[in-house]
Amino acid sequence: AQSVTQPDIHITVSEGASLELRCNYSYGATPYLFWYVQSPGQGLQLLLKYFSGDTLVQGIKGFEAEFKRSQSSFNLRKPSVHWSDAAEYFCAVTHSSNTGKLIFGQGTTLQVKP
Amino acid sequence: DGGITQSPKYLFRKEGQNVTLSCEQNLNHDAMYWYRQDPGQGLRLIYYSQIVNDFQKGDIAEGYSVSREKKESFPLTVTSAQKNPTAFYLCASSTTGSNYGYTFGSGTRLTVV
Repeated sequence: AQSVTQPDIHITVSEGASLELRCNYSYGATPYLFWYVQSPGQGLQLLLKYFSGDTLVQGIKGFEAEFKRSQSSFNLRKPSVHWSDAAEYFCAVTHSSNTGKLIFGQGTTLQVKP
Repeated sequence: DGGITQSPKYLFRKEGQNVTLSCEQNLNHDAMYWYRQDPGQGLRLIYYSQIVNDFQKGDIAEGYSVSREKKESFPLTVTSAQKNPTAFYLCASSTTGSNYGYTFGSGTRLTVV
């Protein structure tokens, strides 16, 4: 069965510092991978997605993620964090773009120190 | 602008009452989903529908019911059989192919007192 693990429940970084949020997935075939961000009391917004091709994916708000098949990982990165990046981040996976049903990780809460 | 509208944003109900959460989309997406979100538990799938007049149970369907009579609408009823209904409920829709990905509504926070 597919699963997604986000090892870090909570991360605190200083404003201006770099950020990496970890995501590991379990699935045999090539996965479709996503990162979403959620502000408190709001819905989720898509940051970026990987279907195929270049393993380094650029997203909105200055985020990027790298697909590493050998490590079953899809870590999210940002070179310099802004206070407005404080939110909850979810990694998600599915096996097909035609059958829906994303499987979500537990989420990582990002706190940004001034 | 296209999007998903969930209403109401906050809902209070007495224990034992059924309550229906609304979800409407104007994105012309075929598939729609309901998730429940509790602190520290991520998103758990309640029900999903890939086509009008058809829907499937997700991982935590007990105590919930849905209908999909129109492509644009996918209401969720939280019944009195749901043991712990207080939660944040998210509706999403998706298309297929290269543009695949979920679009989420802004959520409904249900509190049962």
